[in-house]
Amino acid sequence: AQSVAQPEDQVNVAEGNPLTVKCTYSVSGNPYLFWYVQYPNRGLQFLLKYITGDNLVKGSYGFEAEFNKSQTSFHLKKPSALVSDSALYFCAVRDMRTGGFKTIFGAGTRLFVKA
Amino acid sequence: GAGVSQSPSNKVTEKGKDVELRCDPISGHTALYWYRQRLGQGLEFLIYFQGNSAPDKSGLPSDRFSAERTGESVSTLTIQRTQQEDSAVYLCASSSVASQETQYFGPGTRLLVL
Repeated sequence: AQSVAQPEDQVNVAEGNPLTVKCTYSVSGNPYLFWYVQYPNRGLQFLLKYITGDNLVKGSYGFEAEFNKSQTSFHLKKPSALVSDSALYFCAVRDMRTGGFKTIFGAGTRLFVKA
Repeated sequence: GAGVSQSPSNKVTEKGKDVELRCDPISGHTALYWYRQRLGQGLEFLIYFQGNSAPDKSGLPSDRFSAERTGESVSTLTIQRTQQEDSAVYLCASSSVASQETQYFGPGTRLLVL
């Protein structure tokens, strides 16, 4: 069965510092991996995805994520955090082997960037 | 173009009543998903529709929950005999054939069961 773990409920970082939001996954086949962001009082927005190819994926708002197959991880990163990055971040996975569209989301990590 | 829309935006109901939540996907999107997000928690997959294929209902938590979709248009999620634990935000998303992996989410319906 597919599963996603986001081990941190909250991540605190100072503005201008690099940030990492962790995600690990479990699937029986090869994964499709995603990050979504939920800003306060706004809907969930797509940030980036890994399907195949380069392990480092670049997405919206300067975010990137690195797919690590051996560690089954897909951590979200940004070199320099902004206060406006403060939001709830969700990692998600889809199992390519099953071929379906069922997507499993992690519990979310709240990012708080302090000025 | 217009994004995914959901109605109502908020719904307050009494325990035991039935509710219907509506989702209008982005025009032309063949896949449609329903999720539930309880307060302070992540998204819980409920059901998805893909074109004319049989829907994947594996996430529906009980037989009180059902969903319908007419073709590639509007979907309705129905909760019968609502319980207090059904209180949550119900999110709908859609995706296109060209970019099936990327889901576009609606604003959600906030359901409160008293």
